[in-house]
Amino acid sequence: KQEVTQIPAALSVPEGENLVLNCSFTDSAIYNLQWFRQDPGKGLTSLLLIQSSQREQTSGRLNASLDKSSGRSTLYIAASQPGDSATYLCAPLTQGGSEKLVFGKGTKLTVNP
Amino acid sequence: EPEVTQTPSHQVTQMGQEVILRCVPISNHLYFYWYRQILGQKVEFLVSFYNNEISEKSEIFDDQFSVERPDGSNFTLKIRSTKLEDSAMYFCASKGDRWTGELFFGEGSRLTVL
Repeated sequence: KQEVTQIPAALSVPEGENLVLNCSFTDSAIYNLQWFRQDPGKGLTSLLLIQSSQREQTSGRLNASLDKSSGRSTLYIAASQPGDSATYLCAPLTQGGSEKLVFGKGTKLTVNP
Repeated sequence: EPEVTQTPSHQVTQMGQEVILRCVPISNHLYFYWYRQILGQKVEFLVSFYNNEISEKSEIFDDQFSVERPDGSNFTLKIRSTKLEDSAMYFCASKGDRWTGELFFGEGSRLTVL
C-alpha cells in the first residue's frame, strides 16, 4: 500500500529565499508523480508532472526531481515570493492497476514579505 | 486555458437528504475522478470513471454514492442519503491519458451536512 510523507509539515521563510520541499513514498513502482499547490479552501492546482523515466521537470521558478529507486521527490522553489504561500502536495501514481493518486499531508509554506 | 468546473461551490444540506454535485471535465479528457478532503485531512480518492462506467472505487464509495455522465459534458456525484461525516470538500478531476496524463482538479464543492 502506497504511503506518502512530506517533510517539513510547515515552513516559514523570508521572501527571496530558495527552498526545498521533500516528498517520500514507500512503493517505488510508480508511473509518475505530480506536485500540486492548494490555497486555503481552494482546489488543487497542478504544478509539475514528472514521469518515472524522468529525473527532473522544470516550470518557471519550480524544479521537481525524482529519485524513483529511493522513493523520493523534491520540489525546489527559487526566489520565493509571498504569492507562493500555500500548501504543497505530492502524489505518486502507483503501478499495479490502481488509478488513484495517493496524497501526503502536504507542506504548508509561508513566504514573509 | 481549459479547466475543470464544479457546481455548486458550497452546499448546505440536512442529514438524510440527497445531494448531487456537478462537474464539467476538460473537453477532450476521457478519465474522470472524484476525490474528497475532510477539513484538515488528506485528499482521498473516491472513484474513477471511464467509458461510461466505474473503473475503480475506494472503500469510502459505498452504496450511498453513485456517479453518472448524463450527457457529453457533465459528470455528477450523487450522495443518496447524506450523513454528518459526508461533510467535506469534493473535488472533480480529469485527465487525457490514464497512466501518463496530468490530472487537473476543479475548485471543489464544499458540502456541509447538518
